[in-house]
Order: sequence, then structure tokens, then C-alpha cells
Amino acid sequence: GQQVMQIPQYQHVQEGEDFTTYCNSSTTLSNIQWYKQRPGGHPVFLIQLVKSGEVKKQKRLTFQFGEAKKNSSLHITATQTTDVGTYFCAEVTSGTYKYIFGTGTRLKVLA
Amino acid sequence: DAGITQSPRHKVTETGTPVTLRCHQTENHRYMYWYRQDPGHGLRLIHYSYGVKDTDKGEVSDGYSVSRSKTEDFLLTLESATSSQTSVYFCAISVGGPNTGELFFGEGSRLTVL
Repeated sequence: GQQVMQIPQYQHVQEGEDFTTYCNSSTTLSNIQWYKQRPGGHPVFLIQLVKSGEVKKQKRLTFQFGEAKKNSSLHITATQTTDVGTYFCAEVTSGTYKYIFGTGTRLKVLA
Repeated sequence: DAGITQSPRHKVTETGTPVTLRCHQTENHRYMYWYRQDPGHGLRLIHYSYGVKDTDKGEVSDGYSVSRSKTEDFLLTLESATSSQTSVYFCAISVGGPNTGELFFGEGSRLTVL
């Protein structure tokens, strides 16, 4: 079945350091989405990547989709305490309506 | 928040009792989902619906059933709750299309099975 591996599981960084989380799939993806969940909250959509090699930016966040559409990454430049939370990637199986999530990366930012 | 409400938000029950969680939306979206969230496992899909009376299984459907008799409500039932079903349950709707729409989540329902 589908497997979406996400690493690392946890990351502690000092405020101002960069952070990257990686998402890898065993199959070629039609698209990939990223979500953020603040502690005690619910997941919130960040972005969707569709094209091979696509790069999108949202302020300090950079999202990449691999050339083979089997992996993706989220990079945060100069982390802030507001970046604390768990970041999930999610893939949608082509031809179905299933959104399958990675296990998430929990980010803690130390002030 | 795409008009999603979950109820109850918190529930404590005993092993063997039936439990129903309700997800209600106000915007007539077609695709609805139930996930459970546990430490170390992320969000796992239980069941989903692509229309009234149209549902299908997700990754972890054993022990759960769903019903969707009208567009706005998607019910998740645990026929006989077990301690392994202690979890936070999230309902979500897809806005913008079945395979490319973004998911909007409810606030979650925390279920404890003693």
C-alpha cells in the first residue's frame, strides 16, 4: 500500500537556525500537499505542489517537489518561535479521493 | 474553517460501549474524511465519503463504520469501543476538487476509552 515516509520525526533548533523536513514516497505522486499543526490545534493547509521540480516560497518557507515526483521538502529559513508545530506532507492517490499523510515532523524552536 | 463542526469535542467512555462522532459542514462539500491522530503515527485515514451514501475504507478502518445520509453530516461509529481506539479524531472536507483540493479540518474530538 501507500507509504509516505517523513523525516526527521523530531527536530529541535535554536531560534534563527534553519529547518528542513523531507517527505519520501514509494510511488510517483500526482501532487503533494503540506500542512502545519500547532500544538493543541488542527492541521492547516500550507501549499500544494504539482509539477516535477516545482519550487514555491511563502516568506521564509520554501517547498520543493522532486524531479521524479517521489519526494518533497519543506525548508524554513531563520526559524522563529511561531514556527513551532508539526509539519505534515500529504499525498493524494491518483484516481482515488484518499489523502494519505506522512508521520509528521515535530519542530521545537528554542528561544 | 469551511464551516466544519465536530461533536462531541471530548468523550470518555468504557470498553465495549458504542460511540458515535459527528462531523457537520455548512457548505455542501462533497468529499469528507475521518482521521485519527496518535503520537508517532501522524494522521491515519479511517474512512472517507465522496457523496451521500458513498463511502470507502481508509488505512485503519477495522472497528469503525461510517454513514452519510445527507451531504452535511458524516458520522463515525465505534460499534464496541476498545482502549486502542483512544485517540484524537479529526474530520476534514476537501475544498476545490477530489484530488487537488485542500483539506479543511475540524477542531478534533478527543476520545478516551477506559
